[in-house]
Amino acid sequence: DTAVSQTPKYLVTQMGNDKSIKCEQNLGHDTMYWYKQDSKKFLKIMFSYNNKELIINETVPNRFSPKSPDKAHLNLHINSLELGDSAVYFCASSQGTTGGYEQYFGPGTRLTVT
Amino acid sequence: KNQVEQSPQSLIILEGKNCTLQCNYTVSPFSNLRWYKQDTGRGPVSLTIMTFSENTKSNGRYTATLDADTKQSSLHITASQLSDSASYICVVRATGKFQFGAGTQVVVTP
Repeated sequence: DTAVSQTPKYLVTQMGNDKSIKCEQNLGHDTMYWYKQDSKKFLKIMFSYNNKELIINETVPNRFSPKSPDKAHLNLHINSLELGDSAVYFCASSQGTTGGYEQYFGPGTRLTVT
Repeated sequence: KNQVEQSPQSLIILEGKNCTLQCNYTVSPFSNLRWYKQDTGRGPVSLTIMTFSENTKSNGRYTATLDADTKQSSLHITASQLSDSASYICVVRATGKFQFGAGTQVVVTP
């Protein structure tokens, strides 16, 4: 069974559209994350939720809105997509927020904005 | 300037040889340091996690070292295999934040 899954795997859309990426983990973890990996392969954290509450919110445009309906899901909604939003988005989860908890990453969603 | 600097940016090694990747950081207050392996088109996979008091940790053919005084870490790959071809990312955890290095792209050739 896939530990952290994301849908869709690929997403091609036009500028100005609104899109969502879904993430689910079946590891029973309390904490989930969204990361963005740009074309230079640089990973940057966007958001982190612990028990459905937002605990990390890096400098991200308001067009990005995470939603956590329960501990196992963390979705990412993006409004008014721009060319610069093209990237690979990774979801991850961990048992806790402090100490040396392992983070488990999903397979990524490649978003292309045209 | 990035608070986590990795070197080299890329390297090519022959199968069976060893190599060492470097990570220097300025992130504080330090919580832990992680090395990840990311295969092309896949999500990162954790190799090691080290806290302040640990100065070496191994995971199979991967051995990470940490010098918290000089704020340096290294990842040594022993007897490289073709499957080691990947990007290796150093991540430093400070209170409330993660700082990622840009990664070292390793290519193992037969």
